[in-house]
Amino acid sequence: DTGVSQDPRHKITKRGQNVTFRCDPISEHNRLYWYRQTLGQGPEFLTYFQNEAQLEKSRLLSDRFSAERPKGSFSTLEIQRTEQGDSAMYLCASSRPQMNTEAFFGQGTRLTVV
Amino acid sequence: EDKVVQSPLSLVVHEGDTVTLNCSYEVTNFRSLLWYKQEKKAPTFLFMLTSSGIEKKSGRLSSILDKKELFSILNITATQTGDSAVYLCAVVGWDDKIIFGKGTRLHILP
Repeated sequence: DTGVSQDPRHKITKRGQNVTFRCDPISEHNRLYWYRQTLGQGPEFLTYFQNEAQLEKSRLLSDRFSAERPKGSFSTLEIQRTEQGDSAMYLCASSRPQMNTEAFFGQGTRLTVV
Repeated sequence: EDKVVQSPLSLVVHEGDTVTLNCSYEVTNFRSLLWYKQEKKAPTFLFMLTSSGIEKKSGRLSSILDKKELFSILNITATQTGDSAVYLCAVVGWDDKIIFGKGTRLHILP
């Protein structure tokens, strides 16, 4: 399967713990996006990358959130000192840049903070 | 700030009905508009629209863009229970940033 892959699919953590999610984009896709989605809402933009460069991080995003894409391939999203409000589905997507194509989504990581 | 507004947020119709979902946007550097269907997990791509007035069709689904009035519609004719889903509209800027609306939750009654 050559689609976007996310790991883990589910994560339950205690409040205050750190969590890290991984996203492997489609291999020739240079753009990689992270979104957060809560029940009844559309995907909320978090950040995106062109290769290893982080182009923009949402102003709404707390400093507890950080994302990296060190070699321009897979990406990680870390949340430090998790809070119950961080419980959500975290979606990753990738696309080919400057090609005017759609973004392809992974299955998401569902985070539950207890 | 860029934004995408979808309406209605929720819609319940009977099988066989035709529905129209709306998406309006305010984006400083618009490049394209995307429609996705989301059932359980990942959104799946439906249409990309870049030019005004050109209808995109796929089976019972169709969509059109009006770049002057800054909106798009998604039509579904002869709805089926399998069309029940959240329909997401997104706008892509020339910087490739993709912003989504809140979605329209569509429920088709048998």
